[in-house]
Amino acid sequence: DTAVSQTPKYLVTQMGNDKSIKCEQNLGHDTMYWYKQDSKKFLKIMFSYNNKELIINETVPNRFSPKSPDKAHLNLHINSLELGDSAVYFCASSQGLASREQYFGPGTRLTVT
Amino acid sequence: AQKVTQAQTEISVVEKEDVTLDCVYETRDTTYYLFWYKQPPSGELVFLIRRNSFDEQNEISGRYSWNFQKSTSSFNFTITASQVVDSAVYFCALSEEKAGGGNKLTFGTGTQLKVEL
Repeated sequence: DTAVSQTPKYLVTQMGNDKSIKCEQNLGHDTMYWYKQDSKKFLKIMFSYNNKELIINETVPNRFSPKSPDKAHLNLHINSLELGDSAVYFCASSQGLASREQYFGPGTRLTVT
Repeated sequence: AQKVTQAQTEISVVEKEDVTLDCVYETRDTTYYLFWYKQPPSGELVFLIRRNSFDEQNEISGRYSWNFQKSTSSFNFTITASQVVDSAVYFCALSEEKAGGGNKLTFGTGTQLKVEL
């Protein structure tokens, strides 16, 4: 009964490949997010969706494309992976659009070789 | 632009010592929210507290306490009688509400707390 789950937990792939990370939440929240944590542990928001609608899109390369099939899922697809994409990617969810606490998934460690 | 500064990169204490983690923020919003998250060695991010800008009351939860002072733009976190299990990276975060909706967390760089026996 994990609240926010992500798959896979680890992802090792070569430069140039395309990969996806899936996220699901069972908290009944309607807002979901993707964050990137770099090797220095700096966390930065990438995207946010509310009821399947994109509401936050930070300066992220076009190679990153989020998709929300329903409000409980937010997937992240990355094309043409680069070495600099290596990081831990966290999915999170919260209720509504106001500044409520966000609950994070366990993270996906992506390593690009 | 919003900014969160956690000047302490790493703190080491001996078990049972009290420790305070500093957080200083910058924002032009009059309504904002502050958060603390814990990231233990296992890697997950655990929500600890949320505080809005209109509520300056300090809060205590067990061994944890938070001191919010708007006058100094600080939201400090104190752990009393620290334990080895408190060893983690602690993040302070600030939320801005963007036009059109959205809740974007701006994180500080984190403070690595090591509690030793």
